[in-house]
Amino acid sequence: GIQVEQSPPDLILQEGANSTLRCNFSDSVNNLQWFHQNPWGQLINLFYIPSGTKQNGRLSATTVATERYSLLYISSSQTTDSGVYFCAVISGSARQLTFGSGTQLTVLP
Amino acid sequence: GAGVSQSPSNKVTEKGKDVELRCDPISGHTALYWYRQRLGQGLEFLIYFQGNSAPDKSGLPSDRFSAERTGESVSTLTIQRTQQEDSAVYLCASSLRSAGELFFGEGSRLTVL
Repeated sequence: GIQVEQSPPDLILQEGANSTLRCNFSDSVNNLQWFHQNPWGQLINLFYIPSGTKQNGRLSATTVATERYSLLYISSSQTTDSGVYFCAVISGSARQLTFGSGTQLTVLP
Repeated sequence: GAGVSQSPSNKVTEKGKDVELRCDPISGHTALYWYRQRLGQGLEFLIYFQGNSAPDKSGLPSDRFSAERTGESVSTLTIQRTQQEDSAVYLCASSLRSAGELFFGEGSRLTVL
C-alpha cells in the first residue's frame, strides 16, 4: 500500500513564529487531507487538497502531486495551534485514508 | 445532523465483556469509516461502508471485531470478548462520496481493565 511520511516528527516554536510541515507520499493520490488533532483528541479538518494551493487565515497548504509531496504552512503561530498535525491520503482503488505518523507541534507562549 | 456523532464518548469495561460503539454520520453522506487510535499513535483503518455495497473489512484486526450499517444510516462497531490491547479511541468518519473529504466524530474512548 501507499506510504505516507511526515516531517519533522516534533516541532517546538515560540509564539509568533512561522513553520512548514511536510508530507511525502509514495504513489499518486486521489485525495489528500490535512488534519489538526487538538489536545482533547478531536480531529479538525484543515484542508482537502489533492493538488494545488489553498489558504485559510494563517494556514495555507500546497500539494505538488507530480512530485508526491504536500506542505502545510503555519504563520504567526499561536498556543492554540499546538497539537498533532496529520496528513492522510487515498490512492488508487482504495477508498480509505492512509495516515502519516503526524507532526507534534508545541507552541510556547 | 451537523456533524458525525459518536456514543458513548467514554466506555470502561472489564476484560472479556462485549462492547458496542455507535456512529451517526452526517446526513446524506454515503460513505462511513471506522478507525482506531491507540495512545500516542496514528490512525488505523478498520472498516469502510459505501451505500448498500459489501463493506471493506480488510482492516479489522481479528474476528472479535464486527460492524454493521443499515443503508446510509447509523453504524455500530462491536468488539466481543474485549482484551486490554483493545483499549483505544475508536473514531468514525463519513464522506459525501467514496474517496471524498472525510469528516470525523469526536471518538469513543474505550478502556479495558
